[in-house]
Formats: sequence, C-alpha cells, structure tokens
Amino acid sequence: QVTLKESGPALVKPTQTLTLTCTFSGFSLSTSGMRVSWIRQPPGKALEWLGRMDWDDDTFFNTALKTRLTISKDSSKKQVVLTMTNMDPVDTATYYCARQMTKKGDAFDIWGQGTMVTVSS
Amino acid sequence: QSVLTQPPSVSGAPGQRVTISCTGSSSNIGALYDVHWYQQLPGTVPKLLIHGDNNRPSGVPDRFSVSTSGTSASLAITGLQAEDEADYYCQSYDNSLNGYVFGTGTKVTVL
Repeated sequence: QVTLKESGPALVKPTQTLTLTCTFSGFSLSTSGMRVSWIRQPPGKALEWLGRMDWDDDTFFNTALKTRLTISKDSSKKQVVLTMTNMDPVDTATYYCARQMTKKGDAFDIWGQGTMVTVSS
Repeated sequence: QSVLTQPPSVSGAPGQRVTISCTGSSSNIGALYDVHWYQQLPGTVPKLLIHGDNNRPSGVPDRFSVSTSGTSASLAITGLQAEDEADYYCQSYDNSLNGYVFGTGTKVTVL
C-alpha cells in the first residue's frame, strides 16, 4: 500500500523558513519514473504546484516561487523535504506531498493527508 | 497561478448529466500535454479521478468521463449522485511556465 504523510510546524512567523517532511512508504523514489511533488491549497482556494523531486535527484520548481524553495530527499529514510524561505501570511495553506509516475502521465496519483501551516506573528 | 479556467460552480438534479469545462492555452492543453482530473470531497484530500485519456483508478465509476478538444478539456458526470458533491480540479503541464498547473476548481452541487 502506497502512503505519504506530511509533517512539520503548524505555525510559523513571517520571514521565517518553513521545513516540511514527506515520509512515504510502498514505493521507492529510486525507481525510474517515480517522482514526489509538493502542492499547497490556501483555505477556500485552488491547488498550486510548488515543486518536484525525481528518482534521479532532479528537482523542478514553480517559477514564481523558485527563489524561495528547496527540495531534497533521503532515500534511505524514504523522505522528501521541502524548505520555503521568507514565509508570509499569504503562504498560509494546507501543504500536500503527492506521488507521480511517468507511466501515469505524471498525474498525482496518491496524496498525503496534508498539513496545515499558518503564517502569523 | 491558475492558468486553467473552470466555471466556479455547476449543479444538477440526481440522475442528470453535468459537464465541467477546463480552458487552457497553446502552452498546456493545446500542446497536447495530458490533462488529469481530481475530486476533492468536502474537508478531504484531493483524489485522482481520471488521468489522461479516460484512465480511471480502481474504484472510480465509469459515470465519469473526459474529453479534450483544442485548448480545452471537459469532465462529464452522468447519472449524478449525491456523493458526487465535491470540488473538481483539472491539471496539466505548461511549457511556458515549465511546471504543472491546476484549474481554478469547480464546485458540483446536487440539487
């Protein structure tokens, strides 16, 4: 069974750096064609893709947020870590990690439960 | 950064057919990138509904179907049921943004 679960702080202050961890099971991010993406959803708003980690360690980012984002992975721990710098109240959202497979057209086929992050002083 | 436009809401009576449009451009849907659809029931995590050309994950009924034409895609729900009340999002890849894009989302209400 494939699962993903996000963890991290529920509250961060403006200008701080957010670090979120996605711990997954049931698949290997070392397998060709596997990817893990981060996606967020502000309360009552639409989904927004943030960035992606590939099986070959390639990373890709939303161009509007690229300067603030870093994604890394620890394959042995089955974790993908997102860092976002200079947090602002507009970054308040539920943050999801999701698996992608190239053979499914890169659809986000399995999602984590999400973690709500509030940015407030 | 929603570059895929969907109607904010659609509604229908039980048993009816409703469609949700997803309008993009030549850099995403028009460039023949796969379009995927997600269902988000109230207060829950988005769930992959259909990927690409009518590929349904296990458990998704064939009442849900998709089509694509030019720079737009559509999701059709036939035999509308109360359990279909949810938000629906389309998603594709955009080669001018070099990233994935989601639609603005559509709330389906069963009257």
